[in-house]
Amino acid sequence: QVQLLESGGGVVQTGRSLNLSCVASGFSLSDCALHWVRQAPGKGLEWVAVISWDGAHKYYAKAVEGRFTISRDTSQNTLYLQMNSLRGDDTAVYYCARSEFLERRPFDYWGQGTLVTVSS
Amino acid sequence: DIQMTQSPSSLSASVGDTVTITCRASQFVDDYLYWYQQRPGEAPNFLINGASTRQSGVPSRFSAAVSGPRFTLTITNLQREDYGTYYCQQSYISPHTFGGGTKVE
Repeated sequence: QVQLLESGGGVVQTGRSLNLSCVASGFSLSDCALHWVRQAPGKGLEWVAVISWDGAHKYYAKAVEGRFTISRDTSQNTLYLQMNSLRGDDTAVYYCARSEFLERRPFDYWGQGTLVTVSS
Repeated sequence: DIQMTQSPSSLSASVGDTVTITCRASQFVDDYLYWYQQRPGEAPNFLINGASTRQSGVPSRFSAAVSGPRFTLTITNLQREDYGTYYCQQSYISPHTFGGGTKVE
């Protein structure tokens, strides 16, 4: 059974860093692309970043490029999102999701999300 | 970036009604358009693609269609468990972009 479980969220001050994790089970990270998608309170979905099946390709939304880094550890079957220089508009629930390829495929499984609150 | 414009932003419907949600892409996305359902307090759930291929387990009352840049999601015989917010998403090219959502209440 495919499952994704995020952790690492919490309250953090503006300008500080946070590292999110997403543990995958029921499949291998080497078999698909993995995404981070966020949702600010009461708002819609915003795609954040993606890493390819082989880890060779990473793409980011303009809003986070240069501040966030997506990575993975295949030995732990875990996806990460290192978030630096956090701002108030980064406050959101962060979901990890998978797709078969980097593009042109749906996000067919999602985690339950982890809440990040950036406070001054 | 490709902009996805979804309408309406909200609608009120009763059990048994037929509901139609529209999504327009600012650029060509072929049929790489997907629909997601998000119930309150839950993660999004992939429903169906633009060519009306449903994810496994999704009821047949959900259907999709495309006409040029205009994509539609139709829910016939609305059920209580269908209340929530629906999002379209293009995956033709990064960055993957979502519509603003349609709340069905």
